[in-house]
Amino acid sequence: EIVMTQSPAILSVSPGERATLSCRASQSVENNLAWYQQKPGQAPRLLMYGASTRATGTPARFSGSGSGTEFTLTINSLQSEDFAVYYCHQFNNWPDTFGQGTKLEIK
Amino acid sequence: QLKLQESGPGLVKPSETLSLTCSVSGGSVTSGNYFWGWIRQPPGKGLEWVVNIFYGGNTYYNPSLKSRVTMSVDTSKNQFSLKLNSVTAADTAVYYCASYAVVPVAMGFDSWGQGTLVIVSS
Repeated sequence: EIVMTQSPAILSVSPGERATLSCRASQSVENNLAWYQQKPGQAPRLLMYGASTRATGTPARFSGSGSGTEFTLTINSLQSEDFAVYYCHQFNNWPDTFGQGTKLEIK
Repeated sequence: QLKLQESGPGLVKPSETLSLTCSVSGGSVTSGNYFWGWIRQPPGKGLEWVVNIFYGGNTYYNPSLKSRVTMSVDTSKNQFSLKLNSVTAADTAVYYCASYAVVPVAMGFDSWGQGTLVIVSS
């Protein structure tokens, strides 16, 4: 099973600033990686797939990068609605696995 | 745009079987564009993938749950379902059904139900 490790667990950033979230895989997942945003009491929402392709409706301030074992989700000019928990998800190898999440909170 | 909705009991007794159904609208469960899946989230914790199914094809299980999980598709109702037997308190979670897009490329879980909390307790 591929272990996905996200860092940091909690990230405190001020509105208008940039947030950088990391996800590391225990072995290569090529670019078969997705990012999700989850707000309290809501289902996760797909933000990015293929490591760097924005899903329908994802604002342009979100960008993803990486391949293999190291991935980054960057959010520029943080808006109030961006403060949430973010999960990475690899689907290169069964079983699918998720990272433990990064909570992005207002500084 | 697909819409998914979970239904089923919110309380299950230990050792019994958890049964949930996901109703799909805006698309067909026979579509070759999607896998259909279940993901769960214990209260206050992260996401755990449970199982995926491709209509007319294979079913893929989380190895940690495989011996207890059954997933099926009902084309007449445009639904798919999850059964998890011999439940314990550790199975208490919000259970989400989701579509897993694979056309034109694999995208991960692109549409989710709102989730349903299942508590295992006597």
